Amino acid sequence: DAKTTQPNSMESNEEEPVHLPCNHSTISGTDYIHWYRQLPSQGPEYVIHGLTSNVNNRMASLAIAEDRKSSTLILHRATLRDAAVYYCILNLPQEYGNKLVFGAGTILRVKS
Amino acid sequence: DTGVSQNPRHKITKRGQNVTFRCDPISEHNRLYWYRQTLGQGPEFLTYFQNEAQLEKSRLLSDRFSAERPKGSFSTLEIQRTEQGDSAMYLCASSRDRTGNTIYFGEGSWLTVV
Repeated sequence: DAKTTQPNSMESNEEEPVHLPCNHSTISGTDYIHWYRQLPSQGPEYVIHGLTSNVNNRMASLAIAEDRKSSTLILHRATLRDAAVYYCILNLPQEYGNKLVFGAGTILRVKS
Repeated sequence: DTGVSQNPRHKITKRGQNVTFRCDPISEHNRLYWYRQTLGQGPEFLTYFQNEAQLEKSRLLSDRFSAERPKGSFSTLEIQRTEQGDSAMYLCASSRDRTGNTIYFGEGSWLTVV
């Protein structure tokens, strides 16, 4: 399984931008980069995904390096509700059921 | 979309009893996944279905575990002769069968084996 590497934890101040890094040096050309987050006692929640180009949605932005070996999830203004575990995942190809293989993720703490 | 629905949300059972969890995926999602998550860990893949066919089972899925999706809609995950090590959150997820497509998770079913 293609692996991702994320910092164990990060801290941010409320109302400030947060940049969550992810390394995926063994990524293949067809692997999509997905980000999910998980609040305590809830199921993982989809945040964003991309293949090559940077992506924006109402929750966040995803910046993908040109060589695709790393990516950064950007929360533009952190709120207390963004405190969660953030998972960077490579979506396995169609023949593997496109399943997600989770790592340990990054615990994001947001200070008021 | 009403989202992925799981029930029961919480189950406490005595060791040795059987338990069954149900998952109702988002309608028209032909892929359905089961994951297990213990405290402090990321979710671990258990199995997935394409319509009614179970296409992959993880080695985590011992003989005591069985999953079905009889009509390609809802799915059940049964654990027989539960052990304390089965205590975890069991997550169901669904998606369409397109590469890169979003996988949506339910809220999970918590199992405590006492």
